[in-house]
Amino acid sequence: DIVMTQSPDSLAVSLGERATINCKSSQSVFYSSNNQNYLAWYQQKPGQPPKLLIYWASTRDSGVPDRFSGSGSGTDFTLTISSLQADDVAVYYCQQYYSTYTFGQGTKLEIK
Amino acid sequence: QVQLVESGGGLVKPGGSLRLSCAASGLTFSAYYMSWIRQAPGKGLEWVSYISSNGTTIYYADSVRGRFTISRDNARNSLYLQMNSLRAEDTAVYFCQIGLRNWGQGTLVSVSS
Repeated sequence: DIVMTQSPDSLAVSLGERATINCKSSQSVFYSSNNQNYLAWYQQKPGQPPKLLIYWASTRDSGVPDRFSGSGSGTDFTLTISSLQADDVAVYYCQQYYSTYTFGQGTKLEIK
Repeated sequence: QVQLVESGGGLVKPGGSLRLSCAASGLTFSAYYMSWIRQAPGKGLEWVSYISSNGTTIYYADSVRGRFTISRDNARNSLYLQMNSLRAEDTAVYFCQIGLRNWGQGTLVSVSS
């Protein structure tokens, strides 16, 4: 099974500042036949299901603000929020869908 | 728009059984693979099971294999999860998911004596 490890476990960032969350997979999630990384990012707020932010490692889902961006390839990935807004307080998860699914343990993002 | 509604959760004793359902609308249900994903109270997300669009390909997490059975009825636009031999560690909110984008609100399963 592919293990996903996020860092840090929690993060406090000032409003308007950049937030960066990292995700590392135990094996590559890059599929060379279609040149895609099978990596997604989700945002989850209390009492709600997760919301898809990013898929194929760097493609923003429809309606997701452009302050959210994803990068990386192979085994190392990053979610960046360029200018933190109050509404971004949530837990963020990475997920690989290369081989069934596994999720990272989550990163709790708070306002400093 | 796409709507997924889970049902069937509740309180059950260890060793008991429950059958979860997920009713889908707003999409061509038979065209999509589906998954069950769970979240224990205060914990992270755990993928449970996957079923292909025609039901011929099925995968389970090691933690539930041999106890849980996923199935679907494309004529009824419904996904199911039969859960047997339930354990305290199965206590969680169970979400159904279509593709990556669409999630239900979840149904709570509590396993306790």
